[in-house]
Amino acid sequence: DAGVTQSPTHLIKTRGQQVTLRCSPKSGHDTVSWYQQALGQGPQFIFQYYEEEERQRGNFPDRFSGHQFPNYSSELNVNALLLGDSALYLCASSLDGSSYNSPLHFGNGTRLTVT
Amino acid sequence: GESVGLHLPTLSVQEGDNSIINCAYSNSASDYFIWYKQESGKGPQFIIDIRSNMDKRQGQRVTVLLNKTVKHLSLQIAATQPGDSAVYFCAESPGGTGRRALTFGSGTRLQVQP
Repeated sequence: DAGVTQSPTHLIKTRGQQVTLRCSPKSGHDTVSWYQQALGQGPQFIFQYYEEEERQRGNFPDRFSGHQFPNYSSELNVNALLLGDSALYLCASSLDGSSYNSPLHFGNGTRLTVT
Repeated sequence: GESVGLHLPTLSVQEGDNSIINCAYSNSASDYFIWYKQESGKGPQFIIDIRSNMDKRQGQRVTVLLNKTVKHLSLQIAATQPGDSAVYFCAESPGGTGRRALTFGSGTRLQVQP
């Protein structure tokens, strides 16, 4: 049973460029959340997708957008990259409903470096 | 893999000892709390969770204690092993819907000395 898978594992981009990160949720999960983890810090919530809609959003600018597909997989897009966007981007999946029985499962992340 | 938490508080323990990692949370509306372990180059790994209507929950070698009066959470690891070395994060989620927009703490690095 595959867990959460993310691609690519590493990525280097230049300021101003755009990037797309991909995530496949754990089998049986229907909800995908994205988090940004700067070096030395805890993950920060970007947004959550359920039924192909953005259900909740953290304090991130509109440059950050996403999408969820009918098979529950998801993409994170970041436009007009800034140096400060360099971070580990984590995807987490869960089964909608009570969190008490279905905690978030994280992938190993995509390390994005903006130069 | 890349190091996580280069300048985090560090707890150093001897193999076989018990470890206690503490966390203070700020949102009194939070009703769900969770501990994650993150090894270098990997994503956070679920350890144990607890709801606000409980003050203690036990798992395999781990216990989470919740003190809502002082908004404090702790993770106890019994008989700590070298494989427990990692960065540990507490996280909280407000509200009762369980929609899981977790707010993470800054983390504690656990170093287990053989």
